[in-house]
Amino acid sequence: EEQVVESGGGLVQPGGSLRLSCKGSGFTFSDYWMSWARQAPGKGLEWVAIIKSDGSVKMYVDSVKGRFTISRDNAKNSVFLQVDSLRVEDTAVYYCARDFFRSGDVWGQGTTVTVSS
Amino acid sequence: DVVMTQSPLSLPVTPGQPASISCRSSQSLVNSDGETFLTWFQQRPGRSPRRLIYMVSNRDSGVPERFSGSGSGTDFTLKISKVEADDVGVYYCMQSTHWPRTFGQGTKVEIK
Repeated sequence: EEQVVESGGGLVQPGGSLRLSCKGSGFTFSDYWMSWARQAPGKGLEWVAIIKSDGSVKMYVDSVKGRFTISRDNAKNSVFLQVDSLRVEDTAVYYCARDFFRSGDVWGQGTTVTVSS
Repeated sequence: DVVMTQSPLSLPVTPGQPASISCRSSQSLVNSDGETFLTWFQQRPGRSPRRLIYMVSNRDSGVPERFSGSGSGTDFTLKISKVEADDVGVYYCMQSTHWPRTFGQGTKVEIK
């Protein structure tokens, strides 16, 4: 079964950092672009970042540029999202998704990031 | 950024009846290769998003045939031919022709 599983969320104070992880299984991880998206409580979806299959291309939504960094380790079938300088408005469920035909076809269950003092 | 506007935002439906959701983009979603990257997702209560339709009209594996997508340019539609109780949830359109990818506000489908 093709799946991705996120981890690493938690409660952090404003200005703090977390490293979110996503591990893929059941497919050739290194063949796919991978993305992170998020959903604030009771709100809609927002695409946050994407990374090419070999890690050579990374793109971010403007609201996280300079604060979030996406990376991957194909040997470990994993993609990461380093989230720094966190703000209250970054509070959300963060989803990892495999990209296929330029949208996520396999999604994880999400990991919750809560930014609060 | 491309603004995606869905309507209606709330859609009460009777089981067995058809349902339709509209999604309009603030600019054309056709790229220089003639491809259109418009996706429909379903999010059931308390669940992760699930992709139903990609590139306007391509149904994902395992998605019931009662779901269909259509449209072109800036105007797109998701249709459910006969709604079932299992279809309750929020439906999102998303464009990925332009960066950043942007979603519609979501349409909440509920059973009457």
